[in-house]
Amino acid sequence: DTEVTQTPKHLVMGMTNKKSLKCEQHMGHRAMYWYKQKAKKPPELMFVYSYEKLSINESVPSRFSPECPNSSLLNLHLHALQPEDSALYLCASSQPRQGNYGYTFGSGTRLTVV
Amino acid sequence: DQQVKQNSPSLSVQEGRISILNCDYTNSMFDYFLWYKKYPAEGPTFLISISSIKDKNEDGRFTVFLNKSAKHLSLHIVPSQPGDSAVYFCAASGDTGGFKTIFGAGTRLFVKA
Repeated sequence: DTEVTQTPKHLVMGMTNKKSLKCEQHMGHRAMYWYKQKAKKPPELMFVYSYEKLSINESVPSRFSPECPNSSLLNLHLHALQPEDSALYLCASSQPRQGNYGYTFGSGTRLTVV
Repeated sequence: DQQVKQNSPSLSVQEGRISILNCDYTNSMFDYFLWYKKYPAEGPTFLISISSIKDKNEDGRFTVFLNKSAKHLSLHIVPSQPGDSAVYFCAASGDTGGFKTIFGAGTRLFVKA
């Protein structure tokens, strides 16, 4: 299995809602990443997990809460988001310290906050 | 300020000709550079990478050139095929193991049949 699967593909949520994005991989990768991409902008790193522990938090607002329950799963819990948080959220994985050989990305969740 | 810049938002090339995608960077501490390709409704797909100690890396139709003194890299696709039409992202990392990869904004390549 060489895929990273993200669900849902599309999500519309209100500013008072709580929702979660899910990412799953079965490639045996032990590093997983969340990126955020707005239209015509580069993907921006949000979080990195290595061996199920949070390694990097790029000063992301607390309304985004990541979770890595096991080596195959990565969640992003969303609460009290703002309309400017609308974006494509990409999950990726790699072997730890082998990101220079490329990440495997999921197809993303298109999030709209209304 | 963007550390990785792709100044051409789009590029159009005839099938069979060479496509050259360019990328500039500002951080001399980057030690690995990567190119990703992205089709609509899919995530980016890793294409090719190059270490900062090299100036060229080739993989089939794809070659990446690195000019460290100019802080510039380019991706050459020869010959270009219609299936190469996609958005190409340049990326760079400077931390050990590539945990913090910085992406450019992408160049959309159109290969005309």
